[in-house]
Amino acid sequence: DGGITQSPKYLFRKEGQNVTLSCEQNLNHDAMYWYRQDPGQGLRLIYYSQIVNDFQKGDIAEGYSVSREKKESFPLTVTSAQKNPTAFYLCASRNYGYTFGSGTRLTVV
Amino acid sequence: AQSVTQLGSHVSVSEGALVLLRCNYSSSVPPYLFWYVQYPNQGLQLLLKYTSAATLVKGINGFEAEFKKSETSFHLTKPSAHMSDAAEYFCAVNPISNFGNEKLTFGTGTRLTIIP
Repeated sequence: DGGITQSPKYLFRKEGQNVTLSCEQNLNHDAMYWYRQDPGQGLRLIYYSQIVNDFQKGDIAEGYSVSREKKESFPLTVTSAQKNPTAFYLCASRNYGYTFGSGTRLTVV
Repeated sequence: AQSVTQLGSHVSVSEGALVLLRCNYSSSVPPYLFWYVQYPNQGLQLLLKYTSAATLVKGINGFEAEFKKSETSFHLTKPSAHMSDAAEYFCAVNPISNFGNEKLTFGTGTRLTIIP
């Protein structure tokens, strides 16, 4: 079955370390998205990509970086510049509708 | 920028009672509107969407929403709540003008609790 796979489901990192979250889709969708979810704030857009080798900043891109070298993959790196990285991260892809992954909960200690 | 406002971060209803979750959008041109449901530590599942066809949209699990341009609203309803409806619900907007550069903007969410 086609879908989006986010890994790992839970991730723990020490403060000051960069960490990369994986997002892979086999839906053949061109567009992919990263959202951050915090309690009471809904989902906020970090980065998105409409096509391979192109991506754009969302509303809260500071402290994050992405790459889109393959259609199937859109990894998100949380850098040490992100001041409050602990959150739930959701990846999505889009064709005629949006499909969401099951998320990665990142905890920085 | 277009946005959606969800009134009530927490809503509690008794099992079997009407569910009403409110969503208002800000736009001079009616956008595409969506309702999603999220269960704990999971992704989002689409309940229904409005794409400028019928104003009354029926979705999964017995939910429906009515687009009212005059009120800039897209409230979600279900006639009879079930325990399995307990979850967080998000309203989202995708401006029609964003064709080719689509992205969803979400409301802050409403946590629905069902009282036995």
